[in-house]
Amino acid sequence: EVQLVESGGGLVKPGGSLRLSCAASGFTFSSYSMNWVRQAPGKGLEWVSSISSSSSYIYYADSVKGRFTISRDNAKNSLYLQMNSLRAEDTAVYYCARDFYDSSGYADYWGQGTLVTVSS
Amino acid sequence: EIVMTQSPATLSVSPGERATLSCRASQSVSSNLAWYQQKPGQAPRLLIYGASTRATGIPARFSGSGSGTEFTLTISSLQSEDFAVYYCQQYNNWPRFGPGTKVDIK
Repeated sequence: EVQLVESGGGLVKPGGSLRLSCAASGFTFSSYSMNWVRQAPGKGLEWVSSISSSSSYIYYADSVKGRFTISRDNAKNSLYLQMNSLRAEDTAVYYCARDFYDSSGYADYWGQGTLVTVSS
Repeated sequence: EIVMTQSPATLSVSPGERATLSCRASQSVSSNLAWYQQKPGQAPRLLIYGASTRATGIPARFSGSGSGTEFTLTISSLQSEDFAVYYCQQYNNWPRFGPGTKVDIK
């Protein structure tokens, strides 16, 4: 069974940093692109960042470019999102999501999400 | 930047009735369009990809159609578990979602 479990969310002050993690199991992690998608409270979905299976290709939404860094450790079946210079508008549930196939651009499995709150 | 729009924002339907949801892209995305269902407090669930292909385990009452800029998700006979928010998402280039259509009970 495919499982994606996010962790690392919490309350952080504006300008602060946070590192999210996603532990993957039940599939060959190293064969799939992975993504972070976020959802502000009561709002819609926003695709934040993507990383290809071998980390060769990395993409970011304009809203986070230069502040967030996606990475993965295929030996540990783990995905990460380092978030720096956090702003109030980064407050959201952050989902880890698996691409349907490598670099497909749509996600077939999602974690339950971890809440990031940016507030003073 | 491709902008996705969905209509209506809210659709009130009785159980057993047909629901038709629309999604429009500001420029052609070919058939690179997915649909997701999201229930309160849950992660999104992939329903349709390639505009019309049902994902694994998705009931046949869900169908997708369209290409280019106009897409439709049809739920042929609404079941109680289908009341949720539905998002379309293009993946022709940087993935972007529509604002969602909430399907609620009439």
